[in-house]
Amino acid sequence: NAGVTQTPKFRVLKTGQSMTLLCAQDMNHEYMYWYRQDPGMGLRLIHYSVGEGTTAKGEVPDGYNVSRLKKQNFLLGLESAAPSQTSVYFCASSYPPAGPDYGYTFGSGTRLTVV
Amino acid sequence: SQQGEEDPQALSIQEGENATMNCSYKTSINNLQWYRQNSGRGLVHLILIRSNEREKHSGRLRVTLDTSKKSSSLLITASRAADTASYFCATVLFSGSARQLTFGSGTQLTVLP
Repeated sequence: NAGVTQTPKFRVLKTGQSMTLLCAQDMNHEYMYWYRQDPGMGLRLIHYSVGEGTTAKGEVPDGYNVSRLKKQNFLLGLESAAPSQTSVYFCASSYPPAGPDYGYTFGSGTRLTVV
Repeated sequence: SQQGEEDPQALSIQEGENATMNCSYKTSINNLQWYRQNSGRGLVHLILIRSNEREKHSGRLRVTLDTSKKSSSLLITASRAADTASYFCATVLFSGSARQLTFGSGTQLTVLP
């Protein structure tokens, strides 16, 4: 089925460890996004990309890096995990940057715990 | 900072009743969207209303937008137990090539059978 796929679904990290979250979409969407969701809060934008090879900072970018080497993939990296990064991470994509407005398509999330 | 704020934070109703959720936002927008999130799942897009529209319908959903008051409401008619979920409003403001959704904190809707 077409959509946004996130891997892994769950992960436990120790403080200081690194990891990469993968987001893949097969809808040929130009825009991709990484959000985090914390209890009692809405989603906050970490980084986003408006096309292959481009990335930009969102509202809460510190401690994260991203790459968009291929149009269909958007990677989120944590170089040195901290307990404050315990959260549920959602990837989303949208199409296109101009023309009629469309809603975003979200992945099912990655639940990350940093101990 | 969060752009949208939903009200109420939690709502509990009986099956068959209507549910109304409100959203207020702070800045100018190009469009406003509503999403549903079932427990432990990702967000699902429900409906989008553009800044030049005042009302929109989709099945049992009705969305209104008042740009002068910077507010929107989502009405779910004849609610069902399956409507139990968190509902988020999200605003979009185009700025150059940027096109970002900014989410509110959500309304938790519980529909009792």
